[in-house]
Amino acid sequence: AQTVTQSQPEMSVQEAETVTLSCTYDTSESDYYLFWYKQPPSRQMILVIRQEAYKQQNATENRFSVNFQKAAKSFSLKISDSQLGDAAMYFCAYSQGGSEKLVFGKGTKLTVNP
Amino acid sequence: DTGVSQDPRHKITKRGQNVTFRCDPISEHNRLYWYRQTLGQGPEFLTYFQNEAQLEKSRLLSDRFSAERPKGSFSTLEIQRTEQGDSAMYLCASSVTETQYFGPGTRLLVL
Repeated sequence: AQTVTQSQPEMSVQEAETVTLSCTYDTSESDYYLFWYKQPPSRQMILVIRQEAYKQQNATENRFSVNFQKAAKSFSLKISDSQLGDAAMYFCAYSQGGSEKLVFGKGTKLTVNP
Repeated sequence: DTGVSQDPRHKITKRGQNVTFRCDPISEHNRLYWYRQTLGQGPEFLTYFQNEAQLEKSRLLSDRFSAERPKGSFSTLEIQRTEQGDSAMYLCASSVTETQYFGPGTRLLVL
């Protein structure tokens, strides 16, 4: 079974600084997708960024970028120029084949200090 | 298009009662998923529909749980004879590709 591990239960960053959230996963499949979702307190889960496993180029969405290391099965999220609104739980998730269930890590709580 | 909606947002019930939750997916999304999220944990998959067909059910979905998606539109999740361990956030998501979009969830508290 596929597993997703987020080894940092909590992280903090100063406003305007850069922070990296770690994620590793375990799979024997070659066709899969990886995602980072953000869940602000008492608000719904929203997609931050996604990566297709067959693409070597790391995905980027504005201030958010990933470092996808397929051989190492690592998928970290970098947030640049952190803003107060970035404070949330961040979940790393895996999906096999593109239409299947998401397997989530336990999450990393990010605090942004002014 | 207002995204995935869920109703009710909060539900308090007594142990042994039945509860039903509703999810309305983004229009034209043929895939619909239910997840359960307990405090401090990531969401866990419960079940998945493609159109009206229920294609996969997790072992977490005991025989007290049933989900339907009539006509491939909205979906309902029913929990019979609720237990205190059923207290959680129940999330619905929909998709047409590999990216799932989540609703706000229904928070269930079983007393």
